[in-house]
Amino acid sequence: AQTVTQSQPEMSVQEAETVTLSCTYDTSESDYYLFWYKQPPSRQMILVIRQEAYKQQNATENRFSVNFQKAAKSFSLKISDSQLGDAAMYFCAYLVYGGSQGNLIFGKGTKLSVKP
Amino acid sequence: DTEVTQTPKHLVMGMTNKKSLKCEQHMGHRAMYWYKQKAKKPPELMFVYSYEKLSINESVPSRFSPECPNSSLLNLHLHALQPEDSALYLCASSQGSYVAGGNTGELFFGEGSRLTVL
Repeated sequence: AQTVTQSQPEMSVQEAETVTLSCTYDTSESDYYLFWYKQPPSRQMILVIRQEAYKQQNATENRFSVNFQKAAKSFSLKISDSQLGDAAMYFCAYLVYGGSQGNLIFGKGTKLSVKP
Repeated sequence: DTEVTQTPKHLVMGMTNKKSLKCEQHMGHRAMYWYKQKAKKPPELMFVYSYEKLSINESVPSRFSPECPNSSLLNLHLHALQPEDSALYLCASSQGSYVAGGNTGELFFGEGSRLTVL
């Protein structure tokens, strides 16, 4: 069974600094997607960044980038120039692509605080 | 329009009530999902509809009854719930079933319906 592990329940970063959130996963599949979702107190889950497993190049979205290590099954999120609006719960998630069924499996989440 | 709209945002119901949660999307997505999220926990999958057919039911109690009237609408009918069913219920949609080519995999989530069972 696929699992997603986020080992940092809480993280804190100073405004304008850089922070890295860790995520590891376990799977025997070769094709899959990985995501980082952000859930602010307003509760809507918002996609931060997506990585397709067959792509070796790390995904980037403005201040957000990932370090995808497929062999190590590691998928960390780096947030550069942190802003107050980045404060939220961050979930790492795994999705198997292909087949007749699928599921988005979430890690337990990392609560990120941003200090002014 | 890249929104998933859920109504109501808040719902309080007694254990003998019957109520429904509604979800709507107009992105042409053909897969729709119900997730249950308890406080400080990740979302847990309940149901998946793919092309208006129920494709995944994660052993959810029968007091939760999903319905997909058409490709844009998803309902969750609630009956005889228990206090432990109090949670945030999230609806999501994605481009298509997992067998469909070109699926970017991303799920778009609604803001959720906060359910309290007394």
